[in-house]
Amino acid sequence: SQKIEQNSEALNIQEGKTATLTCNYTNYSPAYLQWYRQDPGRGPVFLLLIRENEKEKRKERLKVTFDTTLKQSLFHITASQPADSATYLCALAANSNYQLIWGAGTKLIIKP
Amino acid sequence: GAVVSQHPSWVICKSGTSVKIECRSLDFQATTMFWYRQFPKQSLMLMATSNEGSKATYEQGVEKDKFLINHASLTLSTLTVTSAHPEDSSFYICSAMVGAGTDTQYFGPGTRLTVL
Repeated sequence: SQKIEQNSEALNIQEGKTATLTCNYTNYSPAYLQWYRQDPGRGPVFLLLIRENEKEKRKERLKVTFDTTLKQSLFHITASQPADSATYLCALAANSNYQLIWGAGTKLIIKP
Repeated sequence: GAVVSQHPSWVICKSGTSVKIECRSLDFQATTMFWYRQFPKQSLMLMATSNEGSKATYEQGVEKDKFLINHASLTLSTLTVTSAHPEDSSFYICSAMVGAGTDTQYFGPGTRLTVL
């Protein structure tokens, strides 16, 4: 079955540094992969989508890479700020019906 | 744009009662809506896919008679948890797609259900 893994341990980063989160998947070739931010008690908020034929996507301080050979996506936040502290989820497209398979998320803590 | 609301944001009910959760797309028409459940520190689990005007498609292991979904219009989908039990306590989240052929889902703020 499809499996998607994110580091379950919280990631502590000093303010101003670059935070890098990892998303690995197995047994699937997704057409695209998405990253979301989720704050406690709230629904996920869409951040970025990257397609299988794209290597990298950027949006302001965010950067996502997608390596279909390694079956891995990396999510970077540059010049991190305490307000970036949240849980970040990756999700991949399961099929043509736009259903998503989700990782459990990685909690990011940016320390001032 | 692309705002999705849910109501209520939290609800506490007694075991055996039914609870209805509404999901609305406020500034767009959503042909497809999704219902998820999320337990603490776990990933979102897709429960069902809801298309306007047709029956919802439930994921394996989700009881359709227990979790009734009605997608009555292009801006409203409802999830009714019937005969709720404590194990149904969870965070329920809906999402909506802006239109056919787009890939982004916009999520509601979620509904915290606690069954006593």
